[in-house]
Amino acid sequence: DAKTTQPNSMESNEEEPVHLPCNHSTISGTDYIHWYRQLPSQGPEYVIHGLTSNVNNRMASLAIAEDRKSSTLILHRATLRDAAVYYCILNTGTASKLTFGTGTRLQVTL
Amino acid sequence: DTGVSQNPRHKITKRGQNVTFRCDPISEHNRLYWYRQTLGQGPEFLTYFQNEAQLEKSRLLSDRFSAERPKGSFSTLEIQRTEQGDSAMYLCAIVDGLSYLSFGSGTQLSVL
Repeated sequence: DAKTTQPNSMESNEEEPVHLPCNHSTISGTDYIHWYRQLPSQGPEYVIHGLTSNVNNRMASLAIAEDRKSSTLILHRATLRDAAVYYCILNTGTASKLTFGTGTRLQVTL
Repeated sequence: DTGVSQNPRHKITKRGQNVTFRCDPISEHNRLYWYRQTLGQGPEFLTYFQNEAQLEKSRLLSDRFSAERPKGSFSTLEIQRTEQGDSAMYLCAIVDGLSYLSFGSGTQLSVL
């Protein structure tokens, strides 16, 4: 599986935007970029995924670099409920076995 | 709410005992996955079912582990002769739509 690299941790103030980076320099042409997050004591939760174009949904936006070797998950206004571990994962377009790394632990403060 | 219910939420057992966890998808889903997560790590794939057929098993799934999905609906994961190294969160997931996995809240196992 192609590998992703994320910072171990990030901090944000509440109600400010958060940009969570992910590097995936060995991404293949058919790999989709998936983001999941895991709140304390919960299972992972799907956030967003994309292939080439930027994507928006009710939870977040995904900005994908033109060469696809990096991407950024954008939370437009962080809240305390967004404090979680965020995982960037490369996978096929249809749901299949996911390979999780250690993710980025996001802390949100007042 | 996720599309998956897992029971129990917590299980404490003594080393050498057998334990069984259950995963109940809320509605019919063809594909069902089991993962294990230890403290500070991301979830690791254990096994995968397509309906009642177990199609893939990770090398992490030792002979002491067995998973079943007898009617293609709920699934069970049994660990025999538990060891302290089995202490982890055990997560079940189903395919939601076509594009992503929906996880349950997991069963936290502590082996004393």
